[in-house]
Amino acid sequence: EAGVVQSPRYKIIEKKQPVAFWCNPISGHNTLYWYRQNLGQGPELLIRYENEEAVDDSQLPKDRFSAERLKGVDSTLKIQPAELGDSAVYLCASSLVAGGGTDTQYFGPGTRLTVL
Amino acid sequence: AQKITQTQPGMFVQEKEAVTLDCTYDTSDPSYGLFWYKQPSSGEMIFLIYQGSYDQQNATEGRYSLNFQKARKSANLVISASQLGDSAMYFCAMRLYSSASKIIFGSGTRLSIRP
Repeated sequence: EAGVVQSPRYKIIEKKQPVAFWCNPISGHNTLYWYRQNLGQGPELLIRYENEEAVDDSQLPKDRFSAERLKGVDSTLKIQPAELGDSAVYLCASSLVAGGGTDTQYFGPGTRLTVL
Repeated sequence: AQKITQTQPGMFVQEKEAVTLDCTYDTSDPSYGLFWYKQPSSGEMIFLIYQGSYDQQNATEGRYSLNFQKARKSANLVISASQLGDSAMYFCAMRLYSSASKIIFGSGTRLSIRP
């Protein structure tokens, strides 16, 4: 079974430029998560989708970040415009069920963003 | 406030020895799950083990076991017979099964195994 797929793996851009990350979850997983992981820290949840619906986007900086999950499968996270402080690894994860029980999240390899 | 605390930023252990990675948590939610993940230098987060707040027995998965002490709000990871490939960052995480269903990660512990 294929795991969570993310692209690109690495991205280097100049500040004020836009950038987009793509994630394809494990087949059949209805819940999808985007995390940001700063160097030396644990992941911080940006947004969680259940199917097409964003059910938790409280930590998403909405002035510059946006996300979509059309058709409830793959998802795109966008930053526009990027700032120096956005340099981080962006992780996507998916799980089979949301809430209760062993709703284990499976992570993709991440996208390492460097903003110059 | 909901919080995960990992007090050991780094640990060195001799190969084949057992190691315990500490994790304490803070929540008033009665229903929650605790997870441990391993993150090698390649960057991918690898799920290791899960413990539910209502589970009576400590979880085990191969060489991994979770020492769950609910009254103390601790969920330490025990790795038996450590191997060189165990060198990585280890993160403890908590999921709250309230209506908010918040997910919180600790700051991690870097484990280095000495040959």
